[in-house]
Amino acid sequence: SQKIEQNSEALNIQEGKTATLTCNYTNYSPAYLQWYRQDPGRGPVFLLLIRENEKEKRKERLKVTFDTTLKQSLFHITASQPADSATYLCALDPFWGGKLIFGQGTELSVKP
Amino acid sequence: GAVVSQHPSRVICKSGTSVKIECRSLDFQATTMFWYRQFPKQSLMLMATSNEGSKATYEQGVEKDKFLINHASLTLSTLTVTSAHPEDSSFYICSARDRGQQETQYFGPGTRLLVL
Repeated sequence: SQKIEQNSEALNIQEGKTATLTCNYTNYSPAYLQWYRQDPGRGPVFLLLIRENEKEKRKERLKVTFDTTLKQSLFHITASQPADSATYLCALDPFWGGKLIFGQGTELSVKP
Repeated sequence: GAVVSQHPSRVICKSGTSVKIECRSLDFQATTMFWYRQFPKQSLMLMATSNEGSKATYEQGVEKDKFLINHASLTLSTLTVTSAHPEDSSFYICSARDRGQQETQYFGPGTRLLVL
């Protein structure tokens, strides 16, 4: 069956460390993959999009990698801050038709 | 940046009544809008895709007669939950795709629906 999975439901790290979140998918060949941030009681906020022909993309303290052979994307937050605490969702468009399928999310908690 | 609004942000209604939720793209034209539902501690589940000027496309298992979607203009889509029941209580989120940027979806802040 087709599915998209994120590595863990919760991740706790110390302020200043790098947070690494994993997104794995099976039976898809997406043209791109996206990462979103969601705070409690709010809608997701778009962070980054990475295409199948891109290995890595950066935006300020964020870095995303995309390995289409492993069918995996890694999302890194460097020099993490308590304000980075949120749920992070990966999403992909498996059928190239504009509809996104979301992973279940990883809840990141950055302790001061 | 691209901003999507939803109204109301939260609503409480009695069982059997209908509730309408509005989704607006404020600074861009959205030919396509999406409606999602999210239960606590779960991910977003796509309910339907709404295209301006045409009928919505519903995902498998979503009752189109219960969740009425109208996309009358390039900036407005509405979701009406008809004859709501307690099991319809959830967090409803819309998203919109900028006509000039087909890949990214911009999400509204969500509407919390509680059916008593």
